[in-house]
Amino acid sequence: ETGVTQTPRHLVMGMTNKKSLKCEQHLGHNAMYWYKQSAKKPLELMFVYSLEERVENNSVPSRFSPECPNSSHLFLHLHTLQPEDSALYLCASSQVTGAYEQYFGPGTRLTVT
Amino acid sequence: GQNIDQPTEMTATEGAIVQINCTYQTSGFNGLFWYQQHAGEAPTFLSYNVLDGLEEKGRFSSFLSRSKGYSYLLLKELQMKDSASYLCAVSNTGKLIFGQGTTLQVKP
Repeated sequence: ETGVTQTPRHLVMGMTNKKSLKCEQHLGHNAMYWYKQSAKKPLELMFVYSLEERVENNSVPSRFSPECPNSSHLFLHLHTLQPEDSALYLCASSQVTGAYEQYFGPGTRLTVT
Repeated sequence: GQNIDQPTEMTATEGAIVQINCTYQTSGFNGLFWYQQHAGEAPTFLSYNVLDGLEEKGRFSSFLSRSKGYSYLLLKELQMKDSASYLCAVSNTGKLIFGQGTTLQVKP
């Protein structure tokens, strides 16, 4: 595997379910990010991790819970989501935080029913 | 507040030149990025400007004027595969703030 991978690619879940999104980067980077991409809206930054420490939580509801066990892996745990949470969730990594090129994964298309 | 504006949609002809504009008003500035995103795919890096002026990379060029809060992406010799969304993003305090993206359709 190369670059940034995400699983699953598609996910349908009910509002009472609990699921997790997984991201893995094979680039040796120290910073990882979660973004939300909704139709007709800009990419929204959700969380930033630097060396496994959360450095940014962009006013995201607590029903989204990130976890970064090491610098290569990032999870987004989901529970009691709302239909408006349906979106494309993108993971990205960069060498460090700051004005550095970010490499994006293919995303997980989430539908909340 | 933070505000980044791009046109929502543009159409151009194969072989032509197109310029996609981006204006920004942000509390801080550490550089401006352009990304390309094909439908259903991940955004991929195109260019980065931190100083005023033009950066050229093959068929793509990007320009920045910090005093005007303005950037553009110039695509030359358009190809059908250039049909995609083009995202302008400003780096500020360690994070990227994205515009809504410009969807470019290239027609034969």
